[in-house]
Amino acid sequence: DAGITQSPRHKVTETGTPVTLRCHQTENHRYMYWYRQDPGHGLRLIHYSYGVKDTDKGEVSDGYSVSRSKTEDFLLTLESATSSQTSVYFCAISETTGDPEKLFFGSGTQLSVL
Amino acid sequence: GQSLEQPSEVTAVEGAIVQINCTYQTSGFYGLSWYQQHDGGAPTFLSYNALDGLEETGRFSSFLSRSDSYGYLLLQELQMKDSASYFCAVPPYNTDKLIFGTGTRLQVFP
Repeated sequence: DAGITQSPRHKVTETGTPVTLRCHQTENHRYMYWYRQDPGHGLRLIHYSYGVKDTDKGEVSDGYSVSRSKTEDFLLTLESATSSQTSVYFCAISETTGDPEKLFFGSGTQLSVL
Repeated sequence: GQSLEQPSEVTAVEGAIVQINCTYQTSGFYGLSWYQQHDGGAPTFLSYNALDGLEETGRFSSFLSRSDSYGYLLLQELQMKDSASYFCAVPPYNTDKLIFGTGTRLQVFP
């Protein structure tokens, strides 16, 4: 158990509203990732972080922002949610700095944008 | 850029052997990972091939051939609990990212 908690587990929101998803880890790992999962697309990287205040974009970063003010928390924000952002969002951590091949995932957040 | 292709679905019966292929077009990467995901669950790490060749872990084996831009996951003595989606993934050179394939849904029948 890599000590990863995602909140909320489920959320329903309306188009145009802001939404923040939280990923919390208990083991001070440096690297954290946000993925979204949609049928037919597998897991696609949104943003990732390699330390406090250090973040970078992934494949599908448009419409998303992230923040990491503490090692243990990595926040994903949808500034103005759209229906195309309905998805399952997974947070992941890498236990070994610089070795992303082995990730541990949280339980996911099911987000529905109506 | 990077893209990893997998068959969308594979079916097999209990006790059988199944191979899930992963072909990729990428400018360079460190190795090939495999993940398993049961319906409603989170992806879990299965294996990582840092070098070409076959890696065996119990009933599961994974193979990588960089010259052929190809890898596979081999599942032996299939059990019902192996019914899940399987994803290959690569960490491209000079990045700290992991890029996933589209996933293969394995259905095991009694």
